[in-house]
Amino acid sequence: KQEVTQIPAALSVPEGENLVLNCSFTDSAIYNLQWFRQDPGKGLTSLLLIQSSQREQTSGRLNASLDKSSGRSTLYIAASQPGDSATYLCAVSGSGGSNYKLTFGKGTLLTVNP
Amino acid sequence: DTGVSQNPRHKITKRGQNVTFRCDPISEHNRLYWYRQTLGQGPEFLTYFQNEAQLEKSRLLSDRFSAERPKGSFSTLEIQRTEQGDSAMYLCASSLGYRSYTEAFFGQGTRLTVV
Repeated sequence: KQEVTQIPAALSVPEGENLVLNCSFTDSAIYNLQWFRQDPGKGLTSLLLIQSSQREQTSGRLNASLDKSSGRSTLYIAASQPGDSATYLCAVSGSGGSNYKLTFGKGTLLTVNP
Repeated sequence: DTGVSQNPRHKITKRGQNVTFRCDPISEHNRLYWYRQTLGQGPEFLTYFQNEAQLEKSRLLSDRFSAERPKGSFSTLEIQRTEQGDSAMYLCASSLGYRSYTEAFFGQGTRLTVV
């Protein structure tokens, strides 16, 4: 059974700092990995999708890497801003051979202080 | 707004009542998913539709839960005889794909509180 772990569970940083969020998964037979952002009481906003054949994806101040063989991904946020405060969720697809079902971690709660 | 739409956004119901949620996916998306999220946890998969066919149901989906997607368009999730343990955020997502996975887009969710 695929298990996804996110470390740390919570992170508080001052504005302007660069930071890294970590995600690990137990079964390396994934189709891809997706990072999401979730604001309190809201749905999920997709940030980056990394196909299993890719090593990284970038969007603006965000960079996500994937090391499939070691079962790890990182989300790098440059020059953090208070508006980045949210819960960041990592999810992988491929559990049980299905290419559609996402298995999520519990998330990292990020607080960026002005 | 062309994103995934869920209604209602919030629902408070008494234990034992039936509730129904609706999801309108992005129009051209053939895949539709339901997930459930409890406080402090990541979303958990409930069920998956490809067009109108329900292809997978999680063991989390007890016989009190039923989901439909008539004509492969909108979907409904019904919970019968609600229990306090059903209190959660119910999330709908959609994507376009057949053999390969493509990016899933989520709605804003329906927050269910059973009192």
